[in-house]
Amino acid sequence: AQTVTQSQPEMSVQEAETVTLSCTYDTSENNYYLFWYKQPPSRQMILVIRQEAYKQQNATENRFSVNFQKAAKSFSLKISDSQLGDTAMYFCAFEGQGAQKLVFGQGTRLTINP
Amino acid sequence: DAGVIQSPRHEVTEMGQEVTLRCKPISGHNSLFWYRQTMMRGLELLIYFNNNVPIDDSGMPEDRFSAKMPNASFSTLKIQPSEPRDSAVYFCASSFSGKQETQYFGPGTRLLVL
Repeated sequence: AQTVTQSQPEMSVQEAETVTLSCTYDTSENNYYLFWYKQPPSRQMILVIRQEAYKQQNATENRFSVNFQKAAKSFSLKISDSQLGDTAMYFCAFEGQGAQKLVFGQGTRLTINP
Repeated sequence: DAGVIQSPRHEVTEMGQEVTLRCKPISGHNSLFWYRQTMMRGLELLIYFNNNVPIDDSGMPEDRFSAKMPNASFSTLKIQPSEPRDSAVYFCASSFSGKQETQYFGPGTRLLVL
């Protein structure tokens, strides 16, 4: 079974700094998808970014980018020029090609300080 | 687009009572997912449907839980009888055309069983 591990329970940075959240996963599949979701205090789950394993190029969405290392099974999220509104729980998630279910990591609580 | 709609947003009930959670997926989406979020277990998939048909219900905790999708625009998750350990946030998500399409989450239902 696939597993997703986020080793940083909490992180805190100053506004405008760059922060990187770590995620590793375990799978025997070659084709799969990886996601980062954001959960602010409202508890709404919001998609931040997704990466297809067959693509070598790292996905980017404005201030958000990933460092996808397939061989190392690592999928980190970098937030540049962090903003107060980035304060939230961040979840890394895996979806295998053979199934639609998302497997989530434990989450990282990120706080952006003014 | 209104997004995924869930009701109620909050539910407080007493142990032994029946609880029904409701979900309306995004129009045009043909896959629907029910997730549960707790402090102890994190986010976990309970069941998902493709074209109104249950595909994987291996995450459903026990017989007290049941889910239905009578049509493409409505699903219910029922707990009968409810127990205090069922207290959690229940999310509904939907996606388009099955595999590897991004899942979009509803705002969740916070359930408290006393």
